[in-house]
Amino acid sequence: GAVVSQHPSRVICKSGTSVKIECRSLDFQATTMFWYRQFPKQSLMLMATSNEGSKATYEQGVEKDKFLINHASLTLSTLTVTSAHPEDSSFYICSAPGPTNAPYNEQFFGPGTRLTVL
Amino acid sequence: SQKIEQNSEALNIQEGKTATLTCNYTNYSPAYLQWYRQDPGRGPVFLLLIRENEKEKRKERLKVTFDTTLKQSLFHITASQPADSATYLCARIYNFNKFYFGSGTKLNVKP
Repeated sequence: GAVVSQHPSRVICKSGTSVKIECRSLDFQATTMFWYRQFPKQSLMLMATSNEGSKATYEQGVEKDKFLINHASLTLSTLTVTSAHPEDSSFYICSAPGPTNAPYNEQFFGPGTRLTVL
Repeated sequence: SQKIEQNSEALNIQEGKTATLTCNYTNYSPAYLQWYRQDPGRGPVFLLLIRENEKEKRKERLKVTFDTTLKQSLFHITASQPADSATYLCARIYNFNKFYFGSGTKLNVKP
C-alpha cells in the first residue's frame, strides 16, 4: 500500500526558534497533502491543505504566517512552525490521498512528529 | 454546526467478545463515513469506508453500519483480541478530500 513518511519523528526546540517538518509520499505522487495537529487525548484537527505548485489553503483560525507550508514536489510537503512557543507543542501529522486521488479516497497518514517547545 | 461525535469514554471488553463503537453526526448528511485506527504516537490507519446507500460493510472481523435515519454509524469488531486495543476514529468527508474526525473512542481488550 501507499506509504507516507515524516521527518523528524520527534523534535525538541527552544521557544522562538523555527522547526521544519517534512512529509513524503514514498511510492506515489501526491498533488495534495494535508497537515493535522493533535493535542493529547483529542482528535486530529485539520490545519491546512498543501497544494503542489500553488499556495496552501488554511483552515479558519490557523495562522498562515506561523505555519508555513511548501509543497516543493509531487512527493514532498514541508511544514515550518515559525517562532515556536510552548503552546505550539503538539503532535503534527500529515496525510495524502491514495494514489488514484479518487473522490473520498482513503487517506494515508504519516507516523507523526512530536514537537516539544521548551 | 456540523458535528461528528464519538463516545469519549474508553470501552473495556473481554477478549473474544464483540466490541461496538458509535459515531453520531448532526446537522448534515454525509455521503461517506470512514473509520480509522490510531495507536499511541502513530498516525491513523484506514480501516473501512461506508457510503450512505450502503447499510453495512464488512472486512474480516470488522463490520460497519450506516443508519441515515438515526444519523449513526456503528463499528463492530468480532472475536476481539488484545491486539485490537487502540483508539478508533470515525471521519466524515467534505470538500472532496478534506476530513473531519471525531474525537475517537479508546478500546481496551483484556485477555
